[in-house]
Amino acid sequence: SAVISQKPSRDICQRGTSLTIQCQVDSQVTMMFWYRQQPGQSLTLIATANQGSEATYESGFVIDKFPISRPNLTFSTLTVSNMSPEDSSIYLCSAADRPHTDTQYFGPGTRLTVL
Amino acid sequence: GNSVTQMEGPVTLSEEAFLTINCTYTATGYPSLFWYVQYPGEGLQLLLKATKADDKGSNKGFEATYRKETTSFHLEKGSVQVSDSAVYFCALLTGGGNKLTFGTGTQLKVEL
Repeated sequence: SAVISQKPSRDICQRGTSLTIQCQVDSQVTMMFWYRQQPGQSLTLIATANQGSEATYESGFVIDKFPISRPNLTFSTLTVSNMSPEDSSIYLCSAADRPHTDTQYFGPGTRLTVL
Repeated sequence: GNSVTQMEGPVTLSEEAFLTINCTYTATGYPSLFWYVQYPGEGLQLLLKATKADDKGSNKGFEATYRKETTSFHLEKGSVQVSDSAVYFCALLTGGGNKLTFGTGTQLKVEL
């Protein structure tokens, strides 16, 4: 199994600013993912963070709005750019230790409020 | 596309009561099915899973059976405890990929 931590755990931000969320895994993992959970809704996959290359984004999510870095096998960041109140959500990082496995490990989430 | 529907919460029960949280799904192919649990202040944890029809996943006294004929994966526990208070998410995975499709989550509150 993998233990995942995220920073910050929560933040309140002003419209038009950007926030970078960090995700740290306690072991090397092949796959890392970023999810969004909007109020009252289910988790939605934003993108797969690829080590050493650009992230793979899901439909409806773009790199300019959600740039992602993954410099190594244990760390990733998600930036929420030019924020608006609609970006208020919980953002979760997850990891899988190999492709096509059915087990993902999740971080505690970052609760973002945009005023 | 794929989707998961869960019963809305919160569900409030007395300790030692029987728990059922309903989950139904729509998917192409033959998905794997999961229940995740999120305790207050913590990340989602895999509670149990089933990978084919009629499989029963079980863990910590919770059970769920993969019912292909009714496209359901209802979560049950015979006697809940206060420590079971959490949000429970039903999810599916198809096609050998890593993209999980989640339900909206059901909050369970267990009182003494």
